[in-house]
Amino acid sequence: DTGVSQDPRHKITKRGQNVTFRCDPISEHNRLYWYRQTLGQGPEFLTYFQNEAQLEKSRLLSDRFSAERPKGSFSTLEIQRTEQGDSAMYLCASSLLSGAGASLKYFGPGTRLTVT
Amino acid sequence: GESVGLHLPTLSVQEGDNSIINCAYSNSASDYFIWYKQESGKGPQFIIDIRSNMDKRQGQRVTVLLNKTVKHLSLQIAATQPGDSAVYFCAENTAAGTGFQKLVFGTGTRLLVSP
Repeated sequence: DTGVSQDPRHKITKRGQNVTFRCDPISEHNRLYWYRQTLGQGPEFLTYFQNEAQLEKSRLLSDRFSAERPKGSFSTLEIQRTEQGDSAMYLCASSLLSGAGASLKYFGPGTRLTVT
Repeated sequence: GESVGLHLPTLSVQEGDNSIINCAYSNSASDYFIWYKQESGKGPQFIIDIRSNMDKRQGQRVTVLLNKTVKHLSLQIAATQPGDSAVYFCAENTAAGTGFQKLVFGTGTRLLVSP
């Protein structure tokens, strides 16, 4: 297993454009998380999936943001009408449902978004 | 790669020294804590975790101490090596009892290890 993967690693877009990021979790992991990290800060929670169900969303996730995990495997995060304030590293993490495997030990490498 | 933290507190040590990185957390109800290491351009890397019913946990070259009275965590790294240079974050799980982990990360500390 190669761990959590994210694509693309870097994205430069112009203000007002839509962007979509993909996260592939570790294959048997039921839980999938999205976090956002701006320069000089720690990651901030955005949303959480258990299998295909989106169970928790942060207030940071405005209505321009939508996340899906249609088959309970990979997830996508779409940002519509991007703003310069959306520039950040978008991180994905995955875990098992219970026990020691429920710990958030596995983060992906992130997608660095730059909005010009 | 880009810098993970531009204006973070910095701890500078010599190779072979022991390092202690401190963190204050905010929620007295948090039940679980994690330390992460993050290198430039990479995602956070899990180092060690501790539950709120413990006050100390040891791993390979690392020890985490938890003081719930003053809501303080520390990460001790023994015999620090140049490869330990990175930004270190503590994180607390604020979703105690829900079954999922809603982590709130601390500010981060940059560790610089000189050969």
